[in-house]
Amino acid sequence: DVKVTQSSRYLVKRTGEKVFLECVQDMDHENMFWYRQDPGLGLRLIYFSYDVKMKEKGDIPEGYSVSREKKERFSLILESASTNQTSMYLCASSSYEKGNEQYFGPGTRLTVT
Amino acid sequence: EDKVVQSPLSLVVHEGDTVTLNCSYEVTNFRSLLWYKQEKKAPTFLFMLTSSGIEKKSGRLSSILDKKELFSILNITATQTGDSAIYLCAPSGGSYIPTFGRGTSLIVHP
Repeated sequence: DVKVTQSSRYLVKRTGEKVFLECVQDMDHENMFWYRQDPGLGLRLIYFSYDVKMKEKGDIPEGYSVSREKKERFSLILESASTNQTSMYLCASSSYEKGNEQYFGPGTRLTVT
Repeated sequence: EDKVVQSPLSLVVHEGDTVTLNCSYEVTNFRSLLWYKQEKKAPTFLFMLTSSGIEKKSGRLSSILDKKELFSILNITATQTGDSAIYLCAPSGGSYIPTFGRGTSLIVHP
């Protein structure tokens, strides 16, 4: 079974803190994604990566950065957390060879106070 | 810019009812369309559609794609309370990156 894990299920941080969200997949997928999900807005793509050390901006990259030093790990960084970044963050991975079906992690609910 | 519109946004039915969820899309260089079910956790994969007119079926769920009219439908027959969830449609184009719709929230009452 494909497994995508995220470092935390729930996280509470203060405004201005630096926040790291980590995602690990065990299926050797080349593509990895970070989304945020907010009520009424659906899933919005923050960043994605199609290879190690490669990254591309999604629809809402402002206030975020990412790191992919190893194929299995994709990190989302909030340099200076703000209250409008309170959200559910979902990581996903996929493979071109396997039809690009995305497998999602359990999500991290981040609250910034 | 790729667009995805799902309808209805929400639906409330009783157990045993049949529902049809709609997804219309505009995607450059269409490759595939994915359907996901999301309960109170991460989305789980239901179907991948790539060809028009070929129905994919899994138990009480089925889905079909119309590439000419640019839409897909997801049918659920004999609904159960466990079908209550948000259903997400996500077509992808040349970039292979899915564009997610806002989803249809389905509530099935006993």
